[in-house]
Amino acid sequence: ETGVTQTPRHLVMGMTNKKSLKCEQHLGHNAMYWYKQSAKKPLELMFVYSLEERVENNSVPSRFSPECPNSSHLFLHLHTLQPEDSALYLCASSQDPQGPYEQYFGPGTRLTVT
Amino acid sequence: GNSVTQMEGPVTLSEEAFLTINCTYTATGYPSLFWYVQYPGEGLQLLLKATKADDKGSNKGFEATYRKETTSFHLEKGSVQVSDSAVYFCALSRSNYQLIWGAGTKLIIKP
Repeated sequence: ETGVTQTPRHLVMGMTNKKSLKCEQHLGHNAMYWYKQSAKKPLELMFVYSLEERVENNSVPSRFSPECPNSSHLFLHLHTLQPEDSALYLCASSQDPQGPYEQYFGPGTRLTVT
Repeated sequence: GNSVTQMEGPVTLSEEAFLTINCTYTATGYPSLFWYVQYPGEGLQLLLKATKADDKGSNKGFEATYRKETTSFHLEKGSVQVSDSAVYFCALSRSNYQLIWGAGTKLIIKP
């Protein structure tokens, strides 16, 4: 595997379900990110981890819970979601969060909340 | 504050036409500038970047020049193909981890 991988690619869940999104980066980067991409809205940064420490939490509802067990893996735990949470969830990584380094993205998980 | 403004889409062109997608920014200091592309059903891919004034980024026939005097980073391609149909995002980086994103411009190329 190369680059940034995300699983699953598609997820349909009910509002009472609990599920997790997984991201893995094979680039040796130190920072990882979760973004939400909704139709007709700008890309929204949700969480940032640097060396496994959370450094940014952009007022995201508590029904989204991130976890970064090591610098290569990032999870987004989902529970009691709302239909408006349906979106494409993108994971990204970068070499160093403090530098002006470009971010590398995974293919995303298309989430549908029913 | 920092912001990025892109031309609204969709932009529809015929194959082999010349492409320009405008991007202007406001920022303090000297940000790095990026163009990303998102093909249907995929994540974002870095297309090109420029890290200082007058730098020209280029990749796959696309070019963009970092113009500090006009605070612009317009994306150009001399002859587009149907396979260039995608959404293009302009972004700038601050000194910390955040990228500031434009809203994206959808490009449609007709054969």
